[in-house]
Amino acid sequence: SQTIHQWPATLVQPVGSPLSLECTVEGTSNPNLYWYRQAAGRGLQLLFYSVGIGQISSEVPQNLSASRPQDRQFILSSKKLLLSDSGFYLCAYTGSGANVLTFGAGSRLTVL
Amino acid sequence: QQQVKQSPQSLIVQKGGISIINCAYENTAFDYFPWYQQFPGKGPALLIAIRPDVSEKKEGRFTISFNKSAKQFSLHIMDSQPGDSATYFCAASRKNTGFQKLVFGTGTRLLVSP
Repeated sequence: SQTIHQWPATLVQPVGSPLSLECTVEGTSNPNLYWYRQAAGRGLQLLFYSVGIGQISSEVPQNLSASRPQDRQFILSSKKLLLSDSGFYLCAYTGSGANVLTFGAGSRLTVL
Repeated sequence: QQQVKQSPQSLIVQKGGISIINCAYENTAFDYFPWYQQFPGKGPALLIAIRPDVSEKKEGRFTISFNKSAKQFSLHIMDSQPGDSATYFCAASRKNTGFQKLVFGTGTRLLVSP
């Protein structure tokens, strides 16, 4: 069966520190992968998506970057966090058949 | 034209009542309308989805009603239960354009009181 894992689940970081959130998918090959940010009252905002290794599309200009070093691994990074980067970050994928968008459990980031 | 407007922002319903959440869209090219359910601290999960070729789709206590001419769709939760308390997101897209084009509403926080 297909599963998606995200970690860490929660993270508290000081302003200016780096960030790395990791997402992996199991049970499918060549998934499409997505990073979303969820802010209160603003729904789900797509940050990045990837259709293959090394292929990253950015939806909004920001302080974050994404990478896909392996087929089923998606990483969200920042070199220097801002207060405004606080939020709930969700990784998602579409697997074989590509007819359902499935989310991970999310990573809660607090920047102080 | 890419927005999906969702209302209400929050909703309190008594146990056994009907919960109704509404969404409206502008892009007439949208042909895929899913609803996601999100429990606190968890990621959203697909609840039910509808295509515009039908006016209603029911799965258990959850029903999507679709009004193509009004460009509106709604989620009805019959016999609402405390376990239904969650945030609900509607969304819309053109299916063949890929899920990166899926546009989400801002969410409705539902509380079902015992």
